[in-house]
Amino acid sequence: GAVVSQHPSRVICKSGTSVKIECRSLDFQATTMFWYRQFPKQSLMLMATSNEGSKATYEQGVEKDKFLINHASLTLSTLTVTSAHPEDSSFYICSARDRVGETQYFGPGTRLLVL
Amino acid sequence: AQSVTQLGSHVSVSEGALVLLRCNYSSSVPPYLFWYVQYPNQGLQLLLKYTSAATLVKGINGFEAEFKKSETSFHLTKPSAHMSDAAEYFCAGPNTGNQFYFGTGTSLTVIP
Repeated sequence: GAVVSQHPSRVICKSGTSVKIECRSLDFQATTMFWYRQFPKQSLMLMATSNEGSKATYEQGVEKDKFLINHASLTLSTLTVTSAHPEDSSFYICSARDRVGETQYFGPGTRLLVL
Repeated sequence: AQSVTQLGSHVSVSEGALVLLRCNYSSSVPPYLFWYVQYPNQGLQLLLKYTSAATLVKGINGFEAEFKKSETSFHLTKPSAHMSDAAEYFCAGPNTGNQFYFGTGTSLTVIP
């Protein structure tokens, strides 16, 4: 149980285009999902907290107009990187918090490369 | 603010040797703590979770961790390292707003 999927696992796009990443909790409902960014050899950096049915809460320094988050249902949150630039290239990981609220279950990550 | 500190960004052990990865927490006693493992180009997998029900927590793949309040520690151990244990390990704890704070990670290398 407690499986979180992400799609796509890897994406390459041209500079200026937008990319959407999906995060799904497959076997549980997640009222809260989190989006992280991870640079090589570093820990996870929280970008935003996504709550079902409400606006996402962004961490300081994260542009909300750049990284659009939608949490339309209890099992799906999407992150859209708008007008992507090479500096947005990174590994993006989502997680979903179970209803008990103690544990975060992580997706397999999405590798974004912007050319 | 709550935080965890992982001592040693890189740990190397021989195959079959004891694995010890260190994590210390700050501030007040957290209600729960976690160890996650990350294999290359993958997300984080939950290894084990401390919830105050028991100080010694057993996880998957033969790992266990002991919560020691006197030492503010939650070190991860495994009696005998396997080559497949080579990965990045993260200690994490709860923060405000249902968030987690993560340690900086420890890269484990297993030498054949």
